[in-house]
Amino acid sequence: QVQLQESGPGLVKPSETLSLTCTVSGGAISSYYWTWIRQSPGKGLELIGYVYNRGRTEYNPSLKSRATISVDTSNNQFSLKLRSVSAADTAVYYCARARAWFDPWGQGTLVTVSS
Amino acid sequence: EIAMTQSPDTLSVSPGERVTLSCRASQSVTTNLAWYQQKPGQAPRLLIHGASTRATGVPARFSGGGSGTEFTLTISSLQSEDFAIYYCQHYNNWPPWTFGQGTKVEIK
Repeated sequence: QVQLQESGPGLVKPSETLSLTCTVSGGAISSYYWTWIRQSPGKGLELIGYVYNRGRTEYNPSLKSRATISVDTSNNQFSLKLRSVSAADTAVYYCARARAWFDPWGQGTLVTVSS
Repeated sequence: EIAMTQSPDTLSVSPGERVTLSCRASQSVTTNLAWYQQKPGQAPRLLIHGASTRATGVPARFSGGGSGTEFTLTISSLQSEDFAIYYCQHYNNWPPWTFGQGTKVEIK
């Protein structure tokens, strides 16, 4: 069965770039859509965007073009970069497989934006 | 953007009771709706997609219904492991797909 695992720094300074990687096991990343979702107390669950079809992407307009999602098929991974972060970007970040609905999810990783 | 509103925010129930959670969309999402369960410290888990199709491994006591703008998630007989937060999510059109704010089901 497909499993996902997020990795990356847990602390990012304001104005810098948040970088996370999701490693997919148990299935080929070249199939399906793959997504990043975040959860914060203030904004609840928020879809950041998704990657599909060998690198095509769609993003939530609320991120104002700060997000980039990319895929590395050779390592069965996909990644998120979020630029110019602020305290409002502090959240638990999840990766998930997307078929319009999301299943399964990674366990999530807390990213705190603070100096 | 389609807004999803869940009600109530919190539901206090006893084990064995029947529970119905509501989710309303600000415009029609046909049956493009999913439900998730989230327990403390865990990622959300898919329960229902297509408004009424149970995901693999989800117990039959969970059922989803509705279409258009009004949806329900019913738990026929609440078990101890069902105390959690439940979220609805539409995927009718992009951008973006959005979640409701959640309904917490707590022990009475």
